[in-house]
Amino acid sequence: DGGITQSPKYLFRKEGQNVTLSCEQNLNHDAMYWYRQDPGQGLRLIYYSQIVNDFQKGDIAEGYSVSREKKESFPLTVTSAQKNPTAFYLCASSIERFRELFFGEGSRLTVL
Amino acid sequence: AQRVTQPEKLLSVFKGAPVELKCNYSYSGSPELFWYVQYSRQRLQLLLRHISRESIKGFTADLNKGETSFHLKKPFAQEEDSAMYYCALSAALSGGYNKLIFGAGTRLAVHP
Repeated sequence: DGGITQSPKYLFRKEGQNVTLSCEQNLNHDAMYWYRQDPGQGLRLIYYSQIVNDFQKGDIAEGYSVSREKKESFPLTVTSAQKNPTAFYLCASSIERFRELFFGEGSRLTVL
Repeated sequence: AQRVTQPEKLLSVFKGAPVELKCNYSYSGSPELFWYVQYSRQRLQLLLRHISRESIKGFTADLNKGETSFHLKKPFAQEEDSAMYYCALSAALSGGYNKLIFGAGTRLAVHP
């Protein structure tokens, strides 16, 4: 079954801890993206990657880090520097530079 | 500035009534616009894009460059149309790539 898999679906974190969200795709897509979804604000781009070993900051990259060591994987680390990390995180992928974005089911992070 | 505005957080209609979800954008170049939909407990997915000029599930959207709008319309709403709808604008990134800028979303509730 092709698609994008995000894990975990729910995650709780204590303040001061880093946490890594997983995103895996088997669609053979070149581009991958991380968005943050907050109520009333839509989706905002955190990081994106067009090819392996390359990634770029989006609009709200502060407090986040990513890696792209494999084409199918694009994990997001929410660091302790992120001041307001409680949110719903969506991973997406697309073919070539831009086509339709395919989204994962999302990961909900709550900081206690 | 590149921006997508969806002025209505919630649109509530009765089954069989016409629906119009509003979307306005701000973009200096030639815009490419999309509507994404998120049904309850499902992942975000593409509904339609303006360049395709297609009708999906009875929905249509026309790009009006003069009014910088891309409103989503359906003549007769169905209960299964109840969902969160996001308008999105494709914007250029450095290196020739693109990202999607999303509006805040409109929740459509269709009542029996």
